[in-house]
Amino acid sequence: DAGVTQSPTHLIKTRGQQVTLRCSPISGHKSVSWYQQVLGQGPQFIFQYYEKEERGRGNFPDRFSARQFPNYSSELNVNALLLGDSALYLCASTGQGGLAVLTFGAGSRLTVL
Amino acid sequence: AQSVAQPEDQVNVAEGNPLTVKCTYSVSGNPYLFWYVQYPNRGLQFLLKYITGDNLVKGSYGFEAEFNKSQTSFHLKKPSALVSDSALYFCAVRDGRRGNTDKLIFGTGTRLQVFP
Repeated sequence: DAGVTQSPTHLIKTRGQQVTLRCSPISGHKSVSWYQQVLGQGPQFIFQYYEKEERGRGNFPDRFSARQFPNYSSELNVNALLLGDSALYLCASTGQGGLAVLTFGAGSRLTVL
Repeated sequence: AQSVAQPEDQVNVAEGNPLTVKCTYSVSGNPYLFWYVQYPNRGLQFLLKYITGDNLVKGSYGFEAEFNKSQTSFHLKKPSALVSDSALYFCAVRDGRRGNTDKLIFGTGTRLQVFP
């Protein structure tokens, strides 16, 4: 079985640009969440989507947005990029709500110059 | 507010020796605790979780963790370390507020280095 897949794996942007990151959950998983991991820190929660609805939002500015599609894949968009947005962006999926274990993808590494 | 602390940035241990990676937590309500491992250029891999029940939780790759409510700790342990265990380890607590079922609050991570 394929795990959580993310694309692109690496990308470089300049300040002020916009970026879209993509995530495909494990087949059958309906919940997708996004995390930002800055170098040297633990991952920080950005969003959770379940059945195409936002279930939770972390402490991130409105430049960050996300959506979930009918096939449960998801996109994370970041507008007006700042140098501080440089990070590893992790997507995770779970089979159902409650106390299921998050399965993470390998991440998309974003560098903002 | 929910939080976890990993007091050691790095733990060094010789192969074959026991290892411990420390984690303390602060939660309101029942703690739901997790350990994840991250290898270079990889995502996070689940090791084990504590929800309820026995204080000693067994997980993947021979790892186990001991839940101690009085000390609010959830230390990760392994009886005999392998060089291949060298990686970055994260302790996490689930945000128990309604709706945030997939929100984990992570510690800052502990780098485990196992020497041959």
